[in-house]
Amino acid sequence: GENVEQHPSTLSVQEGDSAVIKCTYSDSASNYFPWYKQELGKRPQLIIDIRSNVGEKKDQRIAVTLNKTAKHFSLHITETQPEDSAVYFCAASMGTGFQKLVFGTGTRLLVSP
Amino acid sequence: SAVISQKPSRDICQRGTSLTIQCQVDSQVTMMFWYRQQPGQSLTLIATANQGSEATYESGFVIDKFPISRPNLTFSTLTVSNMSPEDSSIYLCSVGTNGNTIYFGEGSWLTVV
Repeated sequence: GENVEQHPSTLSVQEGDSAVIKCTYSDSASNYFPWYKQELGKRPQLIIDIRSNVGEKKDQRIAVTLNKTAKHFSLHITETQPEDSAVYFCAASMGTGFQKLVFGTGTRLLVSP
Repeated sequence: SAVISQKPSRDICQRGTSLTIQCQVDSQVTMMFWYRQQPGQSLTLIATANQGSEATYESGFVIDKFPISRPNLTFSTLTVSNMSPEDSSIYLCSVGTNGNTIYFGEGSWLTVV
């Protein structure tokens, strides 16, 4: 079955710096890769996603890149702000279906003022 | 995006009892999913709630422990049976929209004492 590895487990940056979180997946049939942000006591919120026919997607300060050959994808946050502090989860679809997801282990991002 | 309502949002349960969690979506969806997030951990898929047929369970989860109903295209329930402290988790309902984006409900925070 699908396995998703996520690194680093914790990441501390200064406000204004960039943050990068990386994930690798095992199932070459996976075709959907969302990223979720989870604040303490709240549900995971979708922040960006990418499909396998696209190599990069950007939404304001957030971007995701996908390398299908290497089976890895990354989240890039530029100009980080304290409100970006949260746990971030990557996920990959199981097989060719979009909707069943396997999650990475999460990255705790701390942005210091 | 889909609006997903879960009940209860929070509960404290006695060990050995069972609790049923409800998930209501504001539009018809083909598949609904139930995830578990144990304290400080990532999300793990429990099962797919199929309308008109039995739920499909992931490895490590069984129907006797987590019976699921899906009476129509907008509603599902997950029961956590014979609870033990290890069942203390957040239980999350999720759905895929027509655009194949996955959204989560607010979650049900269960503590078993």
